Amino acid sequence: QVQLQESGPGLVKPSETLSLTCTVSGGSISIYYWSWIRQPPGKGLEWIGYIYHSGSTNYNPSLKSRVTISLDKSKKQFSLKLSSVTAADTAVYYCARAGSYNLFDYWGQGTLVTVSS
Amino acid sequence: NFMLTQPHSVSESPGKTVTISCTRSSGSIASNYVQWYQQRPGSAPTTVIYEDNQRPSGVPDRFSGSIDSSSNSASLTISGLKTEDEADYYCQSYDSSNVVFGGGTKLTVL
Repeated sequence: QVQLQESGPGLVKPSETLSLTCTVSGGSISIYYWSWIRQPPGKGLEWIGYIYHSGSTNYNPSLKSRVTISLDKSKKQFSLKLSSVTAADTAVYYCARAGSYNLFDYWGQGTLVTVSS
Repeated sequence: NFMLTQPHSVSESPGKTVTISCTRSSGSIASNYVQWYQQRPGSAPTTVIYEDNQRPSGVPDRFSGSIDSSSNSASLTISGLKTEDEADYYCQSYDSSNVVFGGGTKLTVL
């Protein structure tokens, strides 16, 4: 059974960089698209971007200038960096696996990141 | 970029049938598959419909999905409503460069 687990600081200061890591267990990190999705408190889901096992990336156009997603196959981890954060970036951040036709079939439990001084 | 528009909320009684719509703003709804996710409070989303109308194993056949090219929309229909179906439901689709979620629909079963 594939499992994903997010880790990283729960509090980030405004203007700094948010950094999260997702560890994959129980399955291969090859073939699939490894994604980040966020959900502000009380609001809907927003796709941030994904990285393919080859290393190619695709980002939400609205966040593209601030987002970097990277992959470490040896550790079976992928990471998110979101720069110049503001309070609007406060959200639960999920990592997820996307397979055929961008179906998100496995999700992490989510981690709340609060942007505040 | 396109958007997916869902009703903010719907409510229905147990045993009845409810349909949640998801309208694509530009580009054909039939061009890219639509998935539907259920999210209960405090939990990650789970798939209830994928590839427009396919049900994952373990999802009851009370859940069904369809698309309508004439209205450029997708629909999630839940029949024989149960109180356990009360949750937020999100549609999701994509194009060549972007993945988009609908705004979500809160289903109340009362």
